[in-house]
Amino acid sequence: GAVVSQHPSWVICKSGTSVKIECRSLDFQATTMFWYRQFPKQSLMLMATSNEGSKATYEQGVEKDKFLINHASLTLSTLTVTSAHPEDSSFYICSARDLYSGKAFFGQGTRLTVV
Amino acid sequence: GENVEQHPSTLSVQEGDSAVIKCTYSDSASNYFPWYKQELGKRPQLIIDIRSNVGEKKDQRIAVTLNKTAKHFSLHITETQPEDSAVYFCAASIPQAGTALIFGKGTTLSVSS
Repeated sequence: GAVVSQHPSWVICKSGTSVKIECRSLDFQATTMFWYRQFPKQSLMLMATSNEGSKATYEQGVEKDKFLINHASLTLSTLTVTSAHPEDSSFYICSARDLYSGKAFFGQGTRLTVV
Repeated sequence: GENVEQHPSTLSVQEGDSAVIKCTYSDSASNYFPWYKQELGKRPQLIIDIRSNVGEKKDQRIAVTLNKTAKHFSLHITETQPEDSAVYFCAASIPQAGTALIFGKGTTLSVSS
């Protein structure tokens, strides 16, 4: 299957700082990537759809100024959590779908802890 | 938009028994239904998927059935093993690369030996 690589796998940051998470499609081009958030023992909640060369589409209730998404190339999407607070602590995971099969593949996920 | 309901939230079985997880979806336009297995702290892994032109699909001990009229689909695991213990998620979507999967809330499967 397709490979999606996400970095970092974990990060600890201080309140008020910003954190950038990268998501790369290694062996295929992804014009669209998806960012999910997962709280402990809960499901994956779609945060936004990242579109190469255009603005991301955010789900209702997700602050676009807080969760900045950039998709500058066909293989890279980034999520920046700005002015992080403890309530932003969560597991963030990206995904991309194979253009032909429609199958979705996930990055390793990033465990963000804001202290 | 699409809404996916998944039941049960937890399931405990003895090794060798079968396990069944059920999902319903709301959007009749959805025609792609994958199942993912997620182990603690790891990424979801695709284990099987089905499209609406097929009623059943099987891969060794895992099978998925789809009733498009009733808008529900199920995951069946036979001869369960302890390593099947994980959280399982169903999802629904149209099979286009620009459309996100919408997930059910997950089922925690515990297989005891």
